[in-house]
Amino acid sequence: EAGVTQSPTHLIKTRGQQVTLRCSPISGHTSVYWYQQALGLGLQFLLWYDEGEERNRGNFPPRFSGRQFPNYSSELNVNALELEDSALYLCASRGGSLAKNIQYFGAGTRLSVL
Amino acid sequence: GENVEQHPSTLSVQEGDSAVIKCTYSDSASNYFPWYKQELGKRPQLIIDIRSNVGEKKDQRIAVTLNKTAKHFSLHITETQPEDSAVYFCAASKAFGQNFVFGPGTRLSVLP
Repeated sequence: EAGVTQSPTHLIKTRGQQVTLRCSPISGHTSVYWYQQALGLGLQFLLWYDEGEERNRGNFPPRFSGRQFPNYSSELNVNALELEDSALYLCASRGGSLAKNIQYFGAGTRLSVL
Repeated sequence: GENVEQHPSTLSVQEGDSAVIKCTYSDSASNYFPWYKQELGKRPQLIIDIRSNVGEKKDQRIAVTLNKTAKHFSLHITETQPEDSAVYFCAASKAFGQNFVFGPGTRLSVLP
């Protein structure tokens, strides 16, 4: 069974540009979560999608947005990039048995903003 | 909203010794507490979790304890090995499926 996959693995952008990150959850998982991990810092919650709907968002500006597709894959969009957006963006998925609340993480997309 | 604190931020132990990492949370409605291990350059992976209706859970060398009254939970690693060296994150969530609020992490170094 394939795990959570994210693309691209690395990305270099300049200030003011826009970027789209992609995430494919584990087969059968319907929830996708996005987290930002800045260098040396913890995981900050960005967005949660379930069954195509945005369920919750963290304390990030509106230029961070996303969506979930009918096949449960997800995109994270960041507009008007700023230097402090440089970070590892992690996607996690959850699903399966109602007894399981485990989030499985992808390897992340490392975004560098110059 | 929920706030999770974690201590210490760094921890060095000798191989074979025990390591303890402590987390506190602010929202008494939180009811699920996972611990993730992140090795350098790798994705976070769940190592153990506990629900609010349980006070302690063990899995081989790893255990987690939960004190709901005090709103804190701890990770205990016994007989530490060099491969335990990593950053450990605690987290809390209020309801099934809800996003996690993570602590800032503890960098554990196990010295040979």
